[in-house]
Amino acid sequence: DTGVSQDPRHKITKRGQNVTFRCDPISEHNRLYWYRQTLGQGPEFLTYFQNEAQLEKSRLLSDRFSAERPKGSFSTLEIQRTEQGDSAMYLCASSQTIVYFGPGTRLLVL
Amino acid sequence: QKEVEQDPGPLSVPEGAIVSLNCTYSNSAFQYFMWYRQYSRKGPELLMYTYSSGNKEDGRFTAQVDKSSKYISLFIRDSQPSDSATYLCAMREDYNTDKLIFGTGTRLQVFP
Repeated sequence: DTGVSQDPRHKITKRGQNVTFRCDPISEHNRLYWYRQTLGQGPEFLTYFQNEAQLEKSRLLSDRFSAERPKGSFSTLEIQRTEQGDSAMYLCASSQTIVYFGPGTRLLVL
Repeated sequence: QKEVEQDPGPLSVPEGAIVSLNCTYSNSAFQYFMWYRQYSRKGPELLMYTYSSGNKEDGRFTAQVDKSSKYISLFIRDSQPSDSATYLCAMREDYNTDKLIFGTGTRLQVFP
């Protein structure tokens, strides 16, 4: 399978804990995105990388959120001190011209 | 007002029906228009991709864009139970701005 992959697929954590998600984009894609999707809503843009450079961050991305793409390949999204409102599906996507999404990581904060 | 408006449904149709899904938008700078299909608990899957106004057909799917009315549509012919999913419209301003703005999605149920 040469699509976008994400790990883990599901994560249950307690409020206040830190979590980290990983995304592996399609190999020749230099653009990588993170989106968040809550129930009954469309995905909302969080942040965007061109190679290793983080070029844009949404206002949705509070100080507790940090994303990295250290070598311009895979990316990680970390949420510190999780809150119940962080419960959502976190989607990674990559593109050269057309945006392809991964299967998502479903986060539940108890 | 949201930049992209989409009726959340649910829309329930019998197998074989023609389905019409629609989105309206407010940002006249949008140039690229997409439809994604999302099955429950899965990531969005690209169905159709169009640039500017006009029609595009791919099998049972037809996408229409009317920029003058800021209105886009997806038609599904001969709908199948396997088409039951949430359909998301998405748009972006230009080639170098990959940030997609999504509608809320329309949940479609095709019953046998």
